[in-house]
Amino acid sequence: QVQLQESGPGLVRPSETLSLTCTVSGGSIRNKYWSWIRQPPGERLEWIGYIYNSESTNYNPSLKSRVTMSLDTSKNQFSLNLNSVTTADTAVYYCVRYSRGETPFYSFDIWGQGTMVTVSS
Amino acid sequence: DIQMTQSPSSVSASVGDRVTLTCRASQDITNWLAWYQHKPGKAPKLLISSASSLQSGVPSRFSGSASGTDYTLTISSLQPEDFATYLCQQGKSFPLTFGGGTKVEIK
Repeated sequence: QVQLQESGPGLVRPSETLSLTCTVSGGSIRNKYWSWIRQPPGERLEWIGYIYNSESTNYNPSLKSRVTMSLDTSKNQFSLNLNSVTTADTAVYYCVRYSRGETPFYSFDIWGQGTMVTVSS
Repeated sequence: DIQMTQSPSSVSASVGDRVTLTCRASQDITNWLAWYQHKPGKAPKLLISSASSLQSGVPSRFSGSASGTDYTLTISSLQPEDFATYLCQQGKSFPLTFGGGTKVEIK
């Protein structure tokens, strides 16, 4: 079955760029919607955005000015870049498959284990 | 943004109890509502989509229903493995948003 695994630094300095990669195994990355979701300590889950086939992205307006998502079909990976980070970006980051246009509709059906990223000097 | 409000924030219950959790949307989301189970240190698990469609492999003691902008997750007979936090998420419009969660604790 499809599995997701996040990778990237666990510590990022303020004002720098947070970069995470999600490796998809057990299925192709093509023709699916891939999302990033985060959960700051003690707060609710926050959807960051999605990417589809490198041709379409949709970002949360609250983060849009700082977010870039990309996709590498040769490696079956997708990535998140979040620039100009502050301590408010400290969170568990999940890579997730977003089901759109097929069941289960408009929900997140496959999740990575999550990776904690701390923003601190 | 569509706001999702879950209640109660926590509930204490015993094994075998019937538990009902509620999620209210700030506007009509036409049943595009998903429920997740989240345990500490684990990824959330999709239980129900489209308000009432049970995911494959999810026990039938879980069920979902809708009434207007109110959505309900019911666990008919609580099992030890069900103690967790339950989250709702609307899929009606972007940005996609989640509720704050209801923690189901052991009484």
